Amino acid sequence: QKEVEQDPGPLSVPEGAIVSLNCTYSNSAFQYFMWYRQYSRKGPELLMYTYSSGNKEDGRFTAQVDKSSKYISLFIRDSQPSDSATYLCAMSDRGDDKIIFGKGTRLHILP
Amino acid sequence: DGGITQSPKYLFRKEGQNVTLSCEQNLNHDAMYWYRQDPGQGLRLIYYSQIVNDFQKGDIAEGYSVSREKKESFPLTVTSAQKNPTAFYLCASSFTLTGGNSPLHFGNGTRLTVT
Repeated sequence: QKEVEQDPGPLSVPEGAIVSLNCTYSNSAFQYFMWYRQYSRKGPELLMYTYSSGNKEDGRFTAQVDKSSKYISLFIRDSQPSDSATYLCAMSDRGDDKIIFGKGTRLHILP
Repeated sequence: DGGITQSPKYLFRKEGQNVTLSCEQNLNHDAMYWYRQDPGQGLRLIYYSQIVNDFQKGDIAEGYSVSREKKESFPLTVTSAQKNPTAFYLCASSFTLTGGNSPLHFGNGTRLTVT
């Protein structure tokens, strides 16, 4: 079983819809959870950063962490064509030096 | 503006040649990293450095070398020993080398094509 699983997509949704992106993981020691957005031919940019369980909201973006289920989600409200990108989840435990990335989900918002 | 600068954006080389990719950061971050990104493979860690004059191998270090002579700079050399060098290379930095406690900030990558 891979440490972090993420559906590669592509996921196509109409403009204005709510988007749900998800990752599952196997290492119960993970405590730090991140979402990155990567546009084509660009580097990933940090979108959301959460510690342990719970929700975090930033504008149209909400990150959720359910450690009991080893499942994290990113919700995008009122999706825009400019949200079309690849979204990478990432996570790490407290003591390890490494951040483990999912392979990314390609998202297309249709005008 | 603070950030990470990778150059060049595109690089073409013939097989058998070594090539060096540049990475400079002005974020005053201690830790720097090199990742390789291939379609369907996600990000794979090549090398990382916590402080000047110290660096560690990542998961796929074979065929690569790095140096860290200055805090701001972490160049990556792709040697002729690297069997599949064509890829998108990403440099990143973080405030400290403490896993998820210090999120990564990425440059915009160098696409290397070797023929």
